Amino acid sequence: NAGVTQTPKFQVLKTGQSMTLQCAQDMNHNSMYWYRQDPGMGLRLIYYSASEGTTDKGEVPNGYNVSRLNKREFSLRLESAAPSQTSVYFCASKQGVYQPQHFGDGTRLSIL
Amino acid sequence: KNEVEQSPQNLTAQEGEFITINCSYSVGISALHWLQQHPGGGIVSLFMLSSGKKKHGRLIATINIQEKHSSLHITASHPRDSAVYICAVAGGGADGLTFGKGTHLIIQP
Repeated sequence: NAGVTQTPKFQVLKTGQSMTLQCAQDMNHNSMYWYRQDPGMGLRLIYYSASEGTTDKGEVPNGYNVSRLNKREFSLRLESAAPSQTSVYFCASKQGVYQPQHFGDGTRLSIL
Repeated sequence: KNEVEQSPQNLTAQEGEFITINCSYSVGISALHWLQQHPGGGIVSLFMLSSGKKKHGRLIATINIQEKHSSLHITASHPRDSAVYICAVAGGGADGLTFGKGTHLIIQP
């Protein structure tokens, strides 16, 4: 049982480049989330998808877009990467309202 | 917006000691989560609680809803408990979590 799978695990980009972070879960969960983790700060919510077909902004959505492709997959896109987006990105999913979140292993993204 | 504060930020202890990590939050919640993050980055959910106390092995989590405060205790600590422990709160529905900054715990042999 793979749980939540994120790809890639590491990526280096140049300022202005675009890329998509992929996330897939095999637990048939309804809700999916993208967080970023920066040194000295708690994880912060970028976007979430309460169910297939819906997406909503979180605390720090600027510079990002998301797509809930189907129930399994939730991607995060950086259209024009900036050094301030250097971070570790975590995808998470959960089944219902009063359920714990399951996290992927993270994507370390560096933007030069 | 809920503010989540954890203390201490860093804690070094000797193997066998009883460990307590504290978490306070500013606004009422539907649930509080304790998470563990090892070096290398993976995040694992330890507890989700909305009242009272939960125990799993050597780990105990308590919450006082009236005081807006939770504690995570580790009994008979071991070097493998060394990790970052993160408190997070849920407001309800499918909204994401609001996280504290984490407590970096080192257990020395």
